[in-house]
Amino acid sequence: GAGVSQSPRYKVAKRGQDVALRCDPISGHVSLFWYQQALGQGPEFLTYFQNEAQLDKSGLPSDRFFAERPEGSVSTLKIQRTQQEDSAVYLCASSSGQNGYTFGSGTRLTVV
Amino acid sequence: QKEVEQDPGPLSVPEGAIVSLNCTYSNSAFQYFMWYRQYSRKGPELLMYTYSSGNKEDGRFTAQVDKSSKYISLFIRDSQPSDSATYLCAMLRGYSSASKIIFGSGTRLSIRP
Repeated sequence: GAGVSQSPRYKVAKRGQDVALRCDPISGHVSLFWYQQALGQGPEFLTYFQNEAQLDKSGLPSDRFFAERPEGSVSTLKIQRTQQEDSAVYLCASSSGQNGYTFGSGTRLTVV
Repeated sequence: QKEVEQDPGPLSVPEGAIVSLNCTYSNSAFQYFMWYRQYSRKGPELLMYTYSSGNKEDGRFTAQVDKSSKYISLFIRDSQPSDSATYLCAMLRGYSSASKIIFGSGTRLSIRP
């Protein structure tokens, strides 16, 4: 597609529920990033994939967060046993390394 | 202390005014400096990026980098209501597809008609 597509746009989860957030990067983009943006803050790095390999997961806040990109295109960020502090916008970005990073519109997660 | 510091605002100016947005950083390893604009409920979009110290101009926007002071600025001339958004400064240690972006906290800007 023309841009990075994320779904769902909005997700409300009850505390303790598992959620899965999807990212469809720009076709052919090797690099894929996940960022977390809390209200009134800048995005913070979570994890990075080069094709299907997860090369950096240093930003994942706990072992409840898990990301995968099994075929080197679509990626899923999974959060287990959600807690209120997980409420944020989750942004996905992809890059080919030549034209910079393109961000999706994000998934706004609210944990109640 | 955060690696990148940015005044969160909000900043409100009248239409046509010159806007100055600023960030400071602590890590001298940063080499690439960017400004992103983020409209409400949208992802960040790249406005400008610079590598060296000095100025870079693009239309009504000028990005300025002073590596000796670890200080970057974005100037908006003839500001328009459509410029109302959150502006995020951002930095990279090296420009490859693997480089992770470090963002400031963003400054919320409102241009009054």
